[in-house]
Amino acid sequence: DSGVTQTPKHLITATGQRVTLRCSPRSGDLSVYWYQQSLDQGLQFLIQYYNGEERAKGNILERFSAQQFPDLHSELNLSSLELGDSALYFCASRDDRVSGYTFGSGTRLTVV
Amino acid sequence: GNSVTQMEGPVTLSEEAFLTINCTYTATGYPSLFWYVQYPGEGLQLLLKATKADDKGSNKGFEATYRKETTSFHLEKGSVQVSDSAVYFCALSRGSGGSYIPTFGRGTSLIVHP
Repeated sequence: DSGVTQTPKHLITATGQRVTLRCSPRSGDLSVYWYQQSLDQGLQFLIQYYNGEERAKGNILERFSAQQFPDLHSELNLSSLELGDSALYFCASRDDRVSGYTFGSGTRLTVV
Repeated sequence: GNSVTQMEGPVTLSEEAFLTINCTYTATGYPSLFWYVQYPGEGLQLLLKATKADDKGSNKGFEATYRKETTSFHLEKGSVQVSDSAVYFCALSRGSGGSYIPTFGRGTSLIVHP
């Protein structure tokens, strides 16, 4: 167990639907990062939050949004889903003391 | 911007062979460098890291040295095992304040045969 918890582990949904992925960072870590991993694109950075505030945006589509709550857990919302959104979505948190990143086990999203 | 380039896989080796996976990077200043490993069906796990030039990161028999002059961080292991079969990602992190964004290479798949 890495200490970063992601739920659900698997999600199957239809095109056009909306889903929410949840991430709880390691205890004490303030930063949360979201990544999308697909076979053709590799590991793509989506967005980062630090202590509740958005800090950086990567290749995140307008249909996707995220937030980090006061208890530091984060949610990634994916709407108007398309077949191409099928991927593994990872969350990571950063330990500022040792400059290390810890990943969750991911959510596998399948859009049918 | 920052980028990481890894050798394409898959790399296929026999057990006890020597492993090298090449990684070069582009970044301003002095980034931290990492190797992560991803086993099938799992998330990325930190394998080793180095935070300044000439540092050597090591873990589980794997080593990598931060070479600023060649902007490289090649992963090596003297004798691989079947259990080392996985995808290996080279990454860098550079930033300030609360904004450190890890940039990953595309990953190199390693297959070790008995």
